[in-house]
Amino acid sequence: KAGVTQTPRYLIKTRGQQVTLSCSPISGHRSVSWYQQTPGQGLQFLFEYFSETQRNKGNFPGRFSGRQFSNSRSEMNVSTLELGDSALYLCASSLGWGRQPQHFGDGTRLSIL
Amino acid sequence: EDKVVQSPLSLVVHEGDTVTLNCSYEVTNFRSLLWYKQEKKAPTFLFMLTSSGIEKKSGRLSSILDKKELSSILNITATQTGDSAIYLCAVGGNKLVFGAGTILRVKS
Repeated sequence: KAGVTQTPRYLIKTRGQQVTLSCSPISGHRSVSWYQQTPGQGLQFLFEYFSETQRNKGNFPGRFSGRQFSNSRSEMNVSTLELGDSALYLCASSLGWGRQPQHFGDGTRLSIL
Repeated sequence: EDKVVQSPLSLVVHEGDTVTLNCSYEVTNFRSLLWYKQEKKAPTFLFMLTSSGIEKKSGRLSSILDKKELSSILNITATQTGDSAIYLCAVGGNKLVFGAGTILRVKS
């Protein structure tokens, strides 16, 4: 069974640009959560999507947004990038809303210059 | 505010040693506690503990949940260099709150 797939693996952007990250969950998993991982803050929850609806949201500014498609694939968008947005962005999928365990993808490493 | 604290932050042991990693939590809506192992890439799921499953074991790894003390331990016996990783504890209801992790280095 294929795991969680995230694309791209690496991204380099400059301040002010926007970026879109993609996540394909494990087959049969309908919930997708996004996390930001940095050395200083660790793993922080961004949001969770289930049935194409955002079900939970962490404490991030509105520049961070996401969506989920009918096939459960999800995208995350960050607009007006700031240097502090440099991080590893991890996507995790689970069978349903709030269901555990979540299984993680390898992440997208975003670097802002 | 929900909080998960792991200790120690890091430790170095020799192959064959036994290690105990700690996780304590304060969350408003506890449903489960999860342990993950992170090497260079994705955190890999190890165990999930709930009120109905407070002890789990897989090979050399085992974990116990103490709901009274709001804590959990992860034990690794007969450590190997391949156990070197960051071990993450996460707690939550609908969403997970992660601790900062324990960096384990096993020397040969």
